[in-house]
Formats: sequence, structure tokens, C-alpha cells
Amino acid sequence: GQQLNQSPQSMFIQEGEDVSMNCTSSSIFNTWLWYKQDPGEGPVLLIALYKAGELTSNGRLTAQFGTTRKDSFLNISASIPSDVGIYFCAGQLPYNGDMRFGAGTRLTVKP
Amino acid sequence: NAGVTQTPKFQVLKTGQSMTLQCAQDMNHNSMYWYRQDPGMGLRLIYYSASEGTTDKGEVPNGYNVSRLNKREFSLRLESAAPSQTSVYFCATPIAGGNIIADTQYFGPGTRLTVL
Repeated sequence: GQQLNQSPQSMFIQEGEDVSMNCTSSSIFNTWLWYKQDPGEGPVLLIALYKAGELTSNGRLTAQFGTTRKDSFLNISASIPSDVGIYFCAGQLPYNGDMRFGAGTRLTVKP
Repeated sequence: NAGVTQTPKFQVLKTGQSMTLQCAQDMNHNSMYWYRQDPGMGLRLIYYSASEGTTDKGEVPNGYNVSRLNKREFSLRLESAAPSQTSVYFCATPIAGGNIIADTQYFGPGTRLTVL
């Protein structure tokens, strides 16, 4: 019940296309986070969401904290080759502050 | 990965061997975390430390011990390594610095461990 279901598992897109990925759970989370991980590196924070319904942008990235507090999505507009990597969602449980992570979406961008 | 360092970057062990993974942060943060990352799964919390001298179990603590002797360093020890512990291990510290409940985290570059 505390696990995050992230989809899709992988995406192959053309440069310039928009991308959308999401995370859902049967549990409620206080915070939703989106990370990007490059090969051989640790995850790097892209966007943090702290309130239900919050919509936040960071350049070409936009993320939303679902109103039910059980889901979140990340959109990338006008993708470029350097967007390639694995994107992870993470949620923070309200009762103990523990973090749960999605399994990741592997993004490939073809020039 | 700014401010969080991990050593070693790679390690191969035989079953039953022991080793310690080191993590250090130079941000003067109270909280530090150890995660493992396995293919097809999200990061899972092994242990965390809310402050110097304190540690608590996370989601998957079995087979591991930790030590937080000072504010800067948080080590993860495998006393008797098993093939199931083959994974990538990440150390992290919260961006906010002090509140374990908060927050978004800086991750180290990871240690890739293989247990044969």
C-alpha cells in the first residue's frame, strides 16, 4: 500500500516532443519529489511539491501534486538529448516521514 | 551530489566477507540516510540517522549495521556479505539540513557493490 507505481517504465521519443510520466499510490503522501539520475550518478532533485494541488515549474519541467495526495505527474516540454536519463518520483509518508521511491522511468531522446 | 561523498565507488566481495561503506557530508546537516537501489525497484531506505550518535532502522535494515560517530560521517557496514546485497548504495542528506521529516535530499554518487 505504501509503494509507488511509476509509469511508464520507459519512453523513446524524438527530440522536441513533450513527455509525461506519473506516479500513483494507494497511500497518502505529504511531499512529492521528482529526481533525475544519470548513469553512474546519484539522483538529483528536479522539483519538490509540498501541498495538494500544487503545480510547480522548473524550466521545461512541470510537476503537480495530485489533489488526493496519492499521485503526481511530471511533464517535460520540448525534449532535448540531455533529458536522457532515469526519472524517479518519491513521496514522503505523513506518519513517520519515511520516503518511498518509484521504480523509475527511463527516457531516451532521439536526435 | 554537491557536498556528499562516498567511498569506494566500486567494490567486489566474496560471500561472507565484511566491508564498510563510507559517507561524508560537508553541509553540517544533522540527518543522513543510507539507501540501496536495485534494478526495477525504487530506492529503499536501509538506515537513517537524525543526529550525531543516533541511528534508526529503515525499510530494509537486515544484514547491515551503521555508525554515526560524528556529524559529518555516516558509515554502513556489511558484516557478512551475501549475494542478495549486490546493489548500488546511496548516501543522502536533506537539503533542509536538520529536519528528518522534511525534505528533499542530496544524494552521493553511489557505491556499486557486487557480492559473488
